[in-house]
Amino acid sequence: QSALTQPASVSGSPGQSITISCTGTSSDVGGYNYVSWYQQHPGKAPKLMIYDVSNRPSGVSNRFSGSKSGNTASLTISGLQAEDEADYYCSSYTSSSTLVFGTGTKVTVL
Amino acid sequence: QVTLRESGPALVKPTQTLTLTCTFSGFSLSTSGMCVSWIRQPPGKALEWLARIDWDDDKYYSTSLKTRLTISKDTSKNQVVLTMTNMDPVDTATYYCARIPPHDGYNFDYWGQGTLVTVSS
Repeated sequence: QSALTQPASVSGSPGQSITISCTGTSSDVGGYNYVSWYQQHPGKAPKLMIYDVSNRPSGVSNRFSGSKSGNTASLTISGLQAEDEADYYCSSYTSSSTLVFGTGTKVTVL
Repeated sequence: QVTLRESGPALVKPTQTLTLTCTFSGFSLSTSGMCVSWIRQPPGKALEWLARIDWDDDKYYSTSLKTRLTISKDTSKNQVVLTMTNMDPVDTATYYCARIPPHDGYNFDYWGQGTLVTVSS
């Protein structure tokens, strides 16, 4: 099972919107609505930000939103804030009943 | 309140077997749909999913590591154990356990703080 493909880095200025892509195959991202997104600050455990493609857990800011088209899922952060600077990972269920993570994206707030 | 905590050796030698324990509270692994996974992260690198055990004792492993991994649970102790054989320096990583809640797809809603395992002679 190959890792899902994410851009290595994305940056934006405070207040701007950015989008992180997560590309897989029809055996994972494209085949199921079980894509989730995680935020990880240095030295910390990942935090669930989006589940089932576009659902936000309680307590997560509505500045975070998710979507999917074909084999590519996306995470959009609107109104970018300094606290959003972190690594972001996507994850998907697969046809083998396993799970797979993305390669990770470092978000920098300029 | 849901909590998970990983425990195990901080240092193992090459070729040894690693045994990690995830002790959790605030939920039961006998609840229908509940699952616990192990995930690791080498220093400065991406997350890697390792294994999952379900409430009904079904088990799933990373394709690339399945020959080396065994996951098990002790429902009465609220523990999930992962063993990894034939450890190598490339297995140096922070190992996390995380919960997959029932009926909400396959996402990790609660994570342990992680435990760093270094493989070195």
